[in-house]
Amino acid sequence: GAVVSQHPSRVICKSGTSVKIECRSLDFQATTMFWYRQFPKQSLMLMATSNEGSKATYEQGVEKDKFLINHASLTLSTLTVTSAHPEDSSFYICSATLAGGLGETQYFGPGTRLLVL
Amino acid sequence: SQQGEEDPQALSIQEGENATMNCSYKTSINNLQWYRQNSGRGLVHLILIRSNEREKHSGRLRVTLDTSKKSSSLLITASRAADTASYFCATDARGGKLIFGQGTELSVKP
Repeated sequence: GAVVSQHPSRVICKSGTSVKIECRSLDFQATTMFWYRQFPKQSLMLMATSNEGSKATYEQGVEKDKFLINHASLTLSTLTVTSAHPEDSSFYICSATLAGGLGETQYFGPGTRLLVL
Repeated sequence: SQQGEEDPQALSIQEGENATMNCSYKTSINNLQWYRQNSGRGLVHLILIRSNEREKHSGRLRVTLDTSKKSSSLLITASRAADTASYFCATDARGGKLIFGQGTELSVKP
């Protein structure tokens, strides 16, 4: 149980285009979903916290107009990288916590590798 | 930054040996968790230890927590080639957030 999927698994796009990444909890309802970014050989950096039906909370230094997050249901959150540039190339990972649970454990998706040319 | 530090950054051992990774953090916590990441993949939750616990076991994993030193260790006994991965500690922050350490890259040679 507690499976999280991400789509697409990898995407290559041209500079200036927008890319949407989906994060779904497949067999549970997620109160909260988190979006992380991970550069090669580095740790995960939290970008934003997403709660169903409310605006996302962004970490310091993350541009909310560039990284649009929509959490439309208890099983789906989307991250849209708008006007992507090569420096946005990274590994984007989402995670989710169980609705009704203690919220201690996060269940991670497999990640989406974004390459902006 | 609240982000923790892990050492070593990289560890290479032979199959059958034990692997020990350490994690230090900066602020008070409710719990500390260890995650594993295979190359280019998502994270897998390994174990959670609460601030009032000192040691926890799960299969070949043993985690210790010393809140006075703000440190934790992860021991993998009788390592296998399949244990090759990056291992991250993460501490809880307000709002259910996790703050990850820099990670230890473990290589287990057959």
